[in-house]
This record gives sequence, structure tokens and C-alpha cells, in this order.
Amino acid sequence: SQQGEEDPQALSIQEGENATMNCSYKTSINNLQWYRQNSGRGLVHLILIRSNEREKHSGRLRVTLDTSKKSSSLLITASRAADTASYFCATENDYKLSFGAGTTVTVRA
Amino acid sequence: ETGVTQTPRHLVMGMTNKKSLKCEQHLGHNAMYWYKQSAKKPLELMFVYNFKEQTENNSVPSRFSPECPNSSHLFLHLHTLQPEDSALYLCASSQVSQGRGELFFGSGTQLSVL
Repeated sequence: SQQGEEDPQALSIQEGENATMNCSYKTSINNLQWYRQNSGRGLVHLILIRSNEREKHSGRLRVTLDTSKKSSSLLITASRAADTASYFCATENDYKLSFGAGTTVTVRA
Repeated sequence: ETGVTQTPRHLVMGMTNKKSLKCEQHLGHNAMYWYKQSAKKPLELMFVYNFKEQTENNSVPSRFSPECPNSSHLFLHLHTLQPEDSALYLCASSQVSQGRGELFFGSGTQLSVL
């Protein structure tokens, strides 16, 4: 299984600060996706980056992908209390999508 | 609202009960999924249906039985479950073309097996 592994497992930041989390994976991928999950709810898709892309932006989110290092990062800028959630990366290859265990982000007011 | 509706939101059942989880997607997608989410563990893919045909069954015990009567509805029938089956069960759908695409998840069913 080419499961993504997120790092760190947990992150606590002050409102207004930036939050960065990383995802590493083991084999080649077609794309990598990031999802957010609020406590006890379903996952919400944030962004998809293809293997031939290096960076993507969506609002306050910035995702980078380094296929040579088999890693991706998700940056949330100017964090808000509403960003408190778990964040998961998911790697896709050959129509198989594998999720990591997630990074839990807490934004303190 | 993601366009994927799951019922019930919460379910408590004994080990001898039979119950069913229901999922409906209003997005016109051609693939539907069941995932299991246990605390501190990665999401576990259980079943995949493409165009109503089951294409993946990831070694799921037979006490979990999926059913996909059409491309918009997905069920998970449960019988003689074990306490370790307590978890959040998530349904998702996507439009598969050159890949699985973006998954749209329902809010999940929090299952407790007593």
C-alpha cells in the first residue's frame, strides 16, 4: 500500500499564524489530494495536485509537490479558528486512492 | 452539504442485530465507496462500486454486505457485528474518468456495537 504519511500528527497554533503539514509517500503517483475533516464529520476535498504539477493555490491554501522526494506540503496561511480540523493527504495511482492517518490542527483564539 | 447523504447519523446495535446503512448521492457520479474510519487509524477502503458493479472488496469480513441497486444508492448491510467494528462509516462518490477524481463524502454513520 502506498499510504501517505502525514507529519506532524498534531499541530497547535495561534489564530493568524500559518500552519504547515507534510505528507510523504512511497511509490509513484498520478495525483495527490488533501482533505479536511471536522470532528465526527465526513471529509471535504480541498485540493488536488497532479504528478506533473509542483504548486497549487486555493484561497489561503498552498500545496506543493516534490515527486523526487515523494513528498507534499499543505500550507494554511493566516489561520482561523474554523481551520481547526484533521487534514489528510491521499495518494492516487492506478485508480487506487490511499489515505494517511492525518494531522490534527488546533487553532487557538 | 456535499451532495452525499448518509443515514442514520448514529447507530447503536447489539452483536446479534441486523441493520443497514444507507447512502445516496445527488451528483451524477459513476462510482461509490464505503470507508471505515477508526480512531487514530488511516481510512480503510471497504468496497468500491463503478457503474453499480463491485470492483473492490478489500478483505472485508462477510458480516458486512454491500448493495448498490443503482448508481445513486449504496447500502451496507450489517449482521452479527463485533465490538471492534465500532467506527465511523463513511460513504463517498466520485466521477471516475482518468482517475478516481475528487471524492465527495457523506457525514458518516457513527456505529457503536455493544
